[in-house]
Amino acid sequence: GAGVSQSPSNKVTEKGKDVELRCDPISGHTALYWYRQSLGQGLEFLIYFQGNSAPDKSGLPSDRFSAERTGGSVSTLTIQRTQQEDSAVYLCASSLATHNEQFFGPGTRLTVL
Amino acid sequence: DAKTTQPPSMDCAEGRAANLPCNHSTISGNEYVYWYRQIHSQGPQYIIHGLKNNETNEMASLIITEDRKSSTLILPHATLRDTAVYYCIVRHSGAGSYQLTFGKGTKLSVIP
Repeated sequence: GAGVSQSPSNKVTEKGKDVELRCDPISGHTALYWYRQSLGQGLEFLIYFQGNSAPDKSGLPSDRFSAERTGGSVSTLTIQRTQQEDSAVYLCASSLATHNEQFFGPGTRLTVL
Repeated sequence: DAKTTQPPSMDCAEGRAANLPCNHSTISGNEYVYWYRQIHSQGPQYIIHGLKNNETNEMASLIITEDRKSSTLILPHATLRDTAVYYCIVRHSGAGSYQLTFGKGTKLSVIP
């Protein structure tokens, strides 16, 4: 079956511009996660959605970052006024429920010039 | 979540079994052992997980020692496409434990 998909696969933007990253989770998965991974570094948790519950935004690094999940399915991560330190691979994962294994998408590589 | 220790790198000949060890001596009773891998420039990939019994799926086998302080991931017939960084993590089964945190993992190189 289809896995987690993300778009775009690559995004190059100029400092100060806004970007939107999209994640389509596996159908039927109620939990959705956003992480980011800088070059050679580990995973950094950003935000978590579970069903209709309020999202856990505790990992968002600043108020320039926001995310929403519409209809319990597709999610969008928005970064406003991008900075060079935002450059990273942004990974989305979904799981059937909160404590099940997480399945990752291919990521969006964001480069802020 | 309990800390894990893995060797930084390993080599394996193509077609042979790759045995990747992981120590998790502080694991508690309700913590599972999970394995993920990350192939270069791709997102992490779930492999297998277990609590105390050995587990097998189409990708790998997971052998957990009786005292649960260590485990071994076995790829029975390694191929070049198995070259990746393998992460062993220990996760609670309870609430608030959904964030995945990877350590440095083991870089497995499968050699032709």
